[in-house]
Amino acid sequence: EDKVVQSPLSLVVHEGDTVTLNCSYEVTNFRSLLWYKQEKKAPTFLFMLTSSGIEKKSGRLSSILDKKELFSILNITATQTGDSAIYLCAVEDLWNSGNTPLVFGKGTRLSVIA
Amino acid sequence: DGGITQSPKYLFRKEGQNVTLSCEQNLNHDAMYWYRQDPGQGLRLIYYSQIVNDFQKGDIAEGYSVSREKKESFPLTVTSAQKNPTAFYLCASTTTGRYGYTFGSGTRLTVV
Repeated sequence: EDKVVQSPLSLVVHEGDTVTLNCSYEVTNFRSLLWYKQEKKAPTFLFMLTSSGIEKKSGRLSSILDKKELFSILNITATQTGDSAIYLCAVEDLWNSGNTPLVFGKGTRLSVIA
Repeated sequence: DGGITQSPKYLFRKEGQNVTLSCEQNLNHDAMYWYRQDPGQGLRLIYYSQIVNDFQKGDIAEGYSVSREKKESFPLTVTSAQKNPTAFYLCASTTTGRYGYTFGSGTRLTVV
């Protein structure tokens, strides 16, 4: 079963809209949750969250983590066509020592139309 | 500049042939990973290596093989046993104490 579930899987909005992307997870020994943006090729890093309730912001993007309810949201305000991308959520599960692989969700494909 | 280089960017393979995808990093990272991406599937882990001369299978290792003879290099071979190899392949690396990955720019493999 999927350990990281993103919703919605696909979303189409108009420029200027605000969107909220969701990520729920189920891991044994949570270390961190990361958000990436993927436009054409390599995903690019957006946020890394480790503590509940602390909002991370970068321009029009923000994200917050709820470790009690095991989810995170990514908000994008005043969307632009350049925000069109796949947004990936990934969780690090410390089931052993070392550099445990990230577990990715299926991603949310966001399309922003003018 | 440090980073990860994947080559080639595009690769075409005939059915029944093995192909090797290259992944090289000059970041001095200990751990390297291979993910496969299909439409609507996110990133799925194929193989990973935390140290030289050691690697572990991921969730979808069947039909793939890897080696880690040097810290900088983690090539992935897609064998003829992989039934549906057409996909986008991403290599990534990280190191102890660092959160998240550095990704390569990917290789798009198409079986013709």
